[in-house]
Formats: sequence, structure tokens, C-alpha cells
Amino acid sequence: QKEVEQDPGPLSVPEGAIVSLNCTYSNSAFQYFMWYRQYSRKGPELLMYTYSSGNKEDGRFTAQVDKSSKYISLFIRDSQPSDSATYLCAMSPPRAYSNYQLIWGAGTKLIIKP
Amino acid sequence: EAQVTQNPRYLITVTGKKLTVTCSQNMNHEYMSWYRQDPGLGLRQIYYSMNVEVTDKGDVPEGYKVSRKEKRNFPLILESPSPNQTSLYFCASSTPRGPFTDTQYFGPGTRLTVL
Repeated sequence: QKEVEQDPGPLSVPEGAIVSLNCTYSNSAFQYFMWYRQYSRKGPELLMYTYSSGNKEDGRFTAQVDKSSKYISLFIRDSQPSDSATYLCAMSPPRAYSNYQLIWGAGTKLIIKP
Repeated sequence: EAQVTQNPRYLITVTGKKLTVTCSQNMNHEYMSWYRQDPGLGLRQIYYSMNVEVTDKGDVPEGYKVSRKEKRNFPLILESPSPNQTSLYFCASSTPRGPFTDTQYFGPGTRLTVL
């Protein structure tokens, strides 16, 4: 079993829809959670990060962490065709246990149809 | 402009012919890393470096070598490439922030095909 599970998709939704992307994980030591966005033929870029549990909002994007369920989500409101990309979750325990290594999900390909 | 550069961007080679993929960052980052990305498997770390002359294996180091003689450069070396090393390779850099890793900045990727 992988430490981080992420549905590869593709997830196809109409423009304007609310998108929910999710990852589950097995290591309860993870405390730092990130979402990266990767456009085709590009390297990943950080979209959002959160520490521990709770919600964080940035414009149309909301990151949510539920540590009790070992489940993280990324919500995209009013989705746009420019949001079409692969979204990767990544997480890590504190540096003392990780040497700054991140554990990555496989990525979910999102397609927003105009 | 803050960036991570990789060269070459595309490479087709044959089994056994040594090759080097260069990586350079201009952000004075201590931490650098090499990943390979394969369909369905996501990003897998090959090697990482905490600073100059400090390198360590990631999850899939077999068949690869790295060096970190200067802070800005972190080349990936394939001494004897094999077809199972056909993949998309990314270099990344970051700097520590508190107890967690900071944002990782990725290069544009190198698509390698080994025939």
C-alpha cells in the first residue's frame, strides 16, 4: 500500500463547477500538506500548503486537512479552463523525521470543459 | 528571475551510453533534488542534497549518480543507461523553513528516452 493515495482521474467537469480533489495517507506523523499544480510539459508549482488540520483559503482555492481521517482535499470554486492541469498532493512529517523529503501522490488530471 | 534550469530538455540515447543531465538554480537554495515522473507512479525521488558535498539516496537511486560540488549545480549522471530509465526527470530546489521543507521549485523537466 502506498503512503499517499490519489485517484489519477482524469476528472472532467464543466466550466464553473466546484471541483474536489482528494488524497488519503497512512502515516499519522505527516503534518505538512501541499498541493502542487502541473501544467502539461511543465514542472510542478506550489499552489497551497497547510500545517496540521483545518482549512486554508486562497481566492478560488481551498485546502482542507482532516488528520483524524488522514484525508486532504483541494476545492476549486468557479472552475476555469485554465485550471486544467494535473494536481499533485505532497506531504511530510517534521524535518527531524524526513530530511525535507516529501511524499507525493500520483497526481489527478483535471479537465475543465468550456 | 528565480529559476531552476535543466539541460537538455529532450534526449534520445542508446543503452549503455553515459549521459549527464545538468541542473542549476539561482536562488541560493541549500536543498536540491532529482525526481523521475512516470505515468501512474507520480514523482519518485532519485537523490537529494542537503548542501554542498552532502548527497543521499532517495527512493529509486539505482543506476544514477549525482554530485554537488557547487551550491547552484546538481547534475544527474547515468553511467550506463537502460530502457527502464526512460522517463521524465525533474530537478527541484528549496530552502528549509522551520521544521518543514519550504516550497520546492521545479525545473522544466528533461524527457529521456533510452533505446
